[in-house]
Amino acid sequence: AQSVTQPDIHITVSEGASLELRCNYSYGATPYLFWYVQSPGQGLQLLLKYFSGDTLVQGIKGFEAEFKRSQSSFNLRKPSVHWSDAAEYFCAVDDSSNTGKLIFGQGTTLQVKP
Amino acid sequence: DAGVTQSPTHLIKTRGQQVTLRCSPISGHKSVSWYQQVLGQGPQFIFQYYEKEERGRGNFPDRFSARQFPNYSSELNVNALLLGDSALYLCASSLSGHSYEQYFGPGTRLTVT
Repeated sequence: AQSVTQPDIHITVSEGASLELRCNYSYGATPYLFWYVQSPGQGLQLLLKYFSGDTLVQGIKGFEAEFKRSQSSFNLRKPSVHWSDAAEYFCAVDDSSNTGKLIFGQGTTLQVKP
Repeated sequence: DAGVTQSPTHLIKTRGQQVTLRCSPISGHKSVSWYQQVLGQGPQFIFQYYEKEERGRGNFPDRFSARQFPNYSSELNVNALLLGDSALYLCASSLSGHSYEQYFGPGTRLTVT
């Protein structure tokens, strides 16, 4: 069965510093992968998604992610973090059952220091 | 265009009661999915409905049920509420049910006391 692991529960970075959030997945074929962001009390906003092709995916708000099949990873990066990026970030994989079901990781909470 | 809307925003129920949550998809979308997000965890898939038929069900007890109406809006019902049902319930809509085209609503925060 597919699964997603986000090893870091909580990360703190200084404003202006670079950011990398880790995501590892378990899946046999080429997965559909996603990163979502959730602000407190809010729903999920899609940052970016990967299906195939170029392994470096650009998203909204200056985020990018790189798919590495050899490492079963899909890490999210941003070169310079803004205070408004403080939120919870979820990595997800489509479970390939043709139901649109997403399997989410536990999430990583990002805190930004001034 | 309006996004996915959910109602109510918050509600508080007592153990053993029943609750109905509502979701209106984006105009033109024919599929609705429901997720449960317990505090501190990622969302868990409950149901997907497409063209008023259930197309997928997660690992949830029969106390959870849902339906989709001709206008593609949806209701999620939970009977015999338990404290553990306290969560944010998220609805996502899509044109044809694929994950890559899903848009999430703001959620309904359910507290069971």
